Amino acid sequence: GDSVTQMEGPVTLSEEAFLTINCTYTATGYPSLFWYVQYPGEGLQLLLKATKADDKGSNKGFEATYRKETTSFHLEKGSVQVSDSAVYFCALKWTPLDRKLIWGLGTSLAVNP
Amino acid sequence: GAGVSQSPSNKVTEKGKDVELRCDPISGHTALYWYRQSLGQGLEFLIYFQGNSAPDKSGLPSDRFSAERTGGSVSTLTIQRTQQEDSAVYLCASSFSDRGYQPQHFGDGTRLSIL
Repeated sequence: GDSVTQMEGPVTLSEEAFLTINCTYTATGYPSLFWYVQYPGEGLQLLLKATKADDKGSNKGFEATYRKETTSFHLEKGSVQVSDSAVYFCALKWTPLDRKLIWGLGTSLAVNP
Repeated sequence: GAGVSQSPSNKVTEKGKDVELRCDPISGHTALYWYRQSLGQGLEFLIYFQGNSAPDKSGLPSDRFSAERTGGSVSTLTIQRTQQEDSAVYLCASSFSDRGYQPQHFGDGTRLSIL
């Protein structure tokens, strides 16, 4: 079945460091791919998305490119801030056969000043 | 309101009691989803509604779990005869439609603790 695999956390970085959180997926066809973020004490928020191969989603300095050839959707940011400390979830949605999001387990990021 | 609203935000109850969790989706959103987030685990899909009907109930863990949606808006997730393994954060999400690539917008969740 369809699945999403994320790199295990926690990830600890210093402020202004480069961030990569790996996400790979197993799915038939061309799912839509999402990154969600959950800040401490808050609900899940959509961070960015990509709906077809080679699309790049971007938001708040974060980017992820939909790579069909490697079935990946790695999240990157060039210079992290303390305020980026959160749990990041990669998810896919296979439409139209399925309506639900299939989630990775989440990667906790802590950014130290 | 502007976002998905869930109530209560926290619920503590004794094993064996019934609980009702409520979700108010974003106005105009026809699709509504329930997920469960257990400690140390990822999100687990429970059920999804399009309008008032539930085309996919495949994630409901047992017949103790049920959900309904009325008026194409508010949804209630009911857990009967709660067990300790039901302790989790229950998340509700809504989207403009269930078609295309509409993103899901999440509420803050209900943290359920079964004693």
